[in-house]
Parts: sequence; C-alpha cells; structure tokens
Amino acid sequence: SQQGEEDPQALSIQEGENATMNCSYKTSINNLQWYRQNSGRGLVHLILIRSNEREKHSGRLRVTLDTSKKSSSLLITASRAADTASYFCATDAWTGGGADGLTFGKGTHLIIQP
Amino acid sequence: EAQVTQNPRYLITVTGKKLTVTCSQNMNHEYMSWYRQDPGLGLRQIYYSMNVEVTDKGDVPEGYKVSRKEKRNFPLILESPSPNQTSLYFCASSLAAGTNTEAFFGQGTRLTVV
Repeated sequence: SQQGEEDPQALSIQEGENATMNCSYKTSINNLQWYRQNSGRGLVHLILIRSNEREKHSGRLRVTLDTSKKSSSLLITASRAADTASYFCATDAWTGGGADGLTFGKGTHLIIQP
Repeated sequence: EAQVTQNPRYLITVTGKKLTVTCSQNMNHEYMSWYRQDPGLGLRQIYYSMNVEVTDKGDVPEGYKVSRKEKRNFPLILESPSPNQTSLYFCASSLAAGTNTEAFFGQGTRLTVV
C-alpha cells in the first residue's frame, strides 16, 4: 500500500508564527486528509480535501493539493501553544476493486514555543 | 457523544499470555480498523473490517486476530504476545473505507510485552 511522506519531520516555531507542513504521496488518490495527534493520544481529523479541489480552509487551517506534483501542504496560521502536536496526512488509492483504507505518513512533529 | 472506546489504555503482560484489546464505537459505522504506531514507522494498519463478519488483513497482520460479530465491536486478539508487539495501538471507525469520510480514533492502548 502507498504511504504519504510528511516534511519536515520536526518543526519548531514561535507562538504567533505560521507553520507549514508538506505531504508527498506516490500514486493517484481519491482524497487526502490531515489529522492531528497530541502526544500519545488518538488522531483527530482536521480536514479533507478531494482530488478535484486545490485549496480548502477551516478556521486557521489552510490545505492545498497539487495532484500534478502529488503533494499537499497544511498551513496553520497564527500558531498557538495548543497547536503543539504531530500532524499526519492520510491518503487512499483506487485499486482494481475499490478504495483502500487509510495509509498514513510518519508525521510532522510541530512544537510551538511560547 | 460520538466516540471510539478502547480498553485497556495501558497493559503490561508477559510473553505468551493471550490478551484482548476491546474496541467499541457508537456511531453505527460499518468500517473499523486497528493500527499500531511505532517510533520511526508511523501508523500501520493491522486488520480492518468492512462490516459484520467481514474482516481482512492490513499491512502487518502477523500475530494478531480480530473478530466482528457485532457492528459496534471490533476486538484485537493477541493469542501469544511477543516483545515485538510492544506498541501503541489504535482502533478507528468510519462510515466507509478510504478517505471519503473522516475516521474516528480511540484514545489508544499502550501495550508492553515483557
């Protein structure tokens, strides 16, 4: 199964700055999702972007998708200490019979310095 | 409140002693899955279930069993745990497979096999 790869692996910024994380994937996708994981806890869904969409917003989150480059980015604006977490992109891929389940990258660990 | 509930949250056991990690969801979701999360390896799918009595292997099924006798429950069974199964485990559910709908995750079970 394919896997997305997030970049960078770790990111440390000051509170109030913007944080950008990238995700690259290998094969054509149906949709792409971003999830957040606070330390040792379950993943929480942030946003879903469909393959025919280029950009999507949700509060302080902005996600872009470039299917020609097989990449997506997650921008968190005006970061807060509570944004400290790991962020994962999740993709699926159409196979012969239908969609696979979610496959995750290894995540970007974001630290917001007060 | 929509949720996925895993139990136990923490478990320390000895090699070879059979154990079951329970997972229950209250959203009437058809699709459920189990993941393990290890440092440097990200989340990997162990087993998934498309519906009652329908289960299939994910990427790392060796050493695990599952069952789906009821829609809401999807227990993970380790018949003879080994130290390499020490990991953080997550159960997830969604309306369907793939990224068309968001996945809801349990809070995780941290398993240590000694």
